[in-house]
Amino acid sequence: QVQLVQSGAEVKKPGASVKVSCKASGYTFTSYDINWVRQATGQGLEWMGWMNPNSGNTGYAQKFQGRVNFTRNTSISTAYMELSSLRSEDTAVYYCARGYYDILTGYQRGDYWGQGTLVTVSS
Amino acid sequence: DIQMTQSPSSLSASVGDRVTITCRASQSISSYLNWYQQKPGKAPKLLIYAASSLQSGVPSRFSGSGSGTDFTLTISSLQPEDFATYYCQQSHNTFTFGPGTKVDIK
Repeated sequence: QVQLVQSGAEVKKPGASVKVSCKASGYTFTSYDINWVRQATGQGLEWMGWMNPNSGNTGYAQKFQGRVNFTRNTSISTAYMELSSLRSEDTAVYYCARGYYDILTGYQRGDYWGQGTLVTVSS
Repeated sequence: DIQMTQSPSSLSASVGDRVTITCRASQSISSYLNWYQQKPGKAPKLLIYAASSLQSGVPSRFSGSGSGTDFTLTISSLQPEDFATYYCQQSHNTFTFGPGTKVDIK
C-alpha cells in the first residue's frame, strides 16, 4: 500500500533552517510528483510547491521562493523540504502529498498524504 | 494567482442532513477542482477530483459538481464520521486551497 512517512517534530530558533523528510513506499517513487503543504495551528492549508522526483524539477509558490528548497534521494525514495530563515510565522504542520497527474486529462490531485511534521519556531 | 473562496465558513448539521458546501474560483478553472476532508490532527483526505469524480474508497454519499468558477460538494446524508473541515483546491494553475468549511454537530 502507498505510504508517505515523514520525519519527526522539530523545534528551531528564528533564523535557522529546517529540513523535513518524506519517505515513500508502495509505489515507484519517480513516477509521481511530491507536493508540500503546510498548516498553521487552527488555520487552513497552504500549498508550498512541487517536485518531480524523476527529473528533480521543482516549482515553488511565490510566497516561499528563495527560502524553500525541495530535493530528493531516489535511492531511498525520499523527498526533502528545507525551509530557511525561519520566523515564528513558519510554525506549522508540514505535509508531503503524492501528486497524481492524469496524463490524458491533465487533472492533478494529492491522493496520498504523509502524517505531517510539526515545526515549531521559537526563541 | 487564482483565489478560492468557500461558503459557508462553518455550518452545524444533524446526522442524516443533506449538506452543501460551495467553492468559487476567482477565474475559470474548468473542472480542475478537488475536494478534501480533514479531521483534527489528521492529514487531509482526497474525496473528489476533477470536480465530480469520486476518489476510490470514498462513500457515494459524497458528490461534487460544477465547472468554470462555481463548484459544490454535497453530502447526501451526513454521518457521524463526516464531521470535519472540508477544503476545495484548484489545480488549473499550480495549486490553491480554499479557506475551508467546518461541519460540526448541531
